[in-house]
Amino acid sequence: GESVGLHLPTLSVQEGDNSIINCAYSNSASDYFIWYKQESGKGPQFIIDIRSNMDKRQGQRVTVLLNKTVKHLSLQIAATQPGDSAVYFCAETGTASKLTFGTGTRLQVTL
Amino acid sequence: GAVVSQHPSWVICKSGTSVKIECRSLDFQATTMFWYRQFPKQSLMLMATSNEGSKATYEQGVEKDKFLINHASLTLSTLTVTSAHPEDSSFYICSASRAPSGNTIYFGEGSWLTVV
Repeated sequence: GESVGLHLPTLSVQEGDNSIINCAYSNSASDYFIWYKQESGKGPQFIIDIRSNMDKRQGQRVTVLLNKTVKHLSLQIAATQPGDSAVYFCAETGTASKLTFGTGTRLQVTL
Repeated sequence: GAVVSQHPSWVICKSGTSVKIECRSLDFQATTMFWYRQFPKQSLMLMATSNEGSKATYEQGVEKDKFLINHASLTLSTLTVTSAHPEDSSFYICSASRAPSGNTIYFGEGSWLTVV
């Protein structure tokens, strides 16, 4: 289930289940969206991206969905594994690669 | 693949001193680099945009005289925290945009700064 921590909401899922992480973005002019994974003490790691002319994009075990009408982005992880445990951030950008990050969601994978 | 390197990975400095953090693009030229700060359990906050050969653009609320940014070449940007205070302790992360692809963005591994 979901819970709200001091700053980061946390999503707990069992190993093997699918995870869905949601993000609301703020700027209707943003045309490029990225999901990043951040492990403790490390920089953000690119997962998948999507441009505003698309509403769905799939990668290996991950899918990003974009709903521009309600300014909502989601990341779906299939068959979640312990190594997926991390903090996930969505980021949006319009021009000049200037990213605005969402608040982040901590994914905890339980065995 | 593209790699962005930060140095040092972690640094401890005394209050009142200055510390420099380097961000290098190792196998590509970066027309633009970005500096972010991240406090524990929080998101990344953009501090400034560093453009090669010109002055950095700072976000609202970021003191340009305290956080000096220099982007002297297409592969190196530096962030100097001047007169550091304990509240400057944070995780500093840079990213680089590959020229001329623009939106291809690569992140460094971050630099932990602790001011004692």
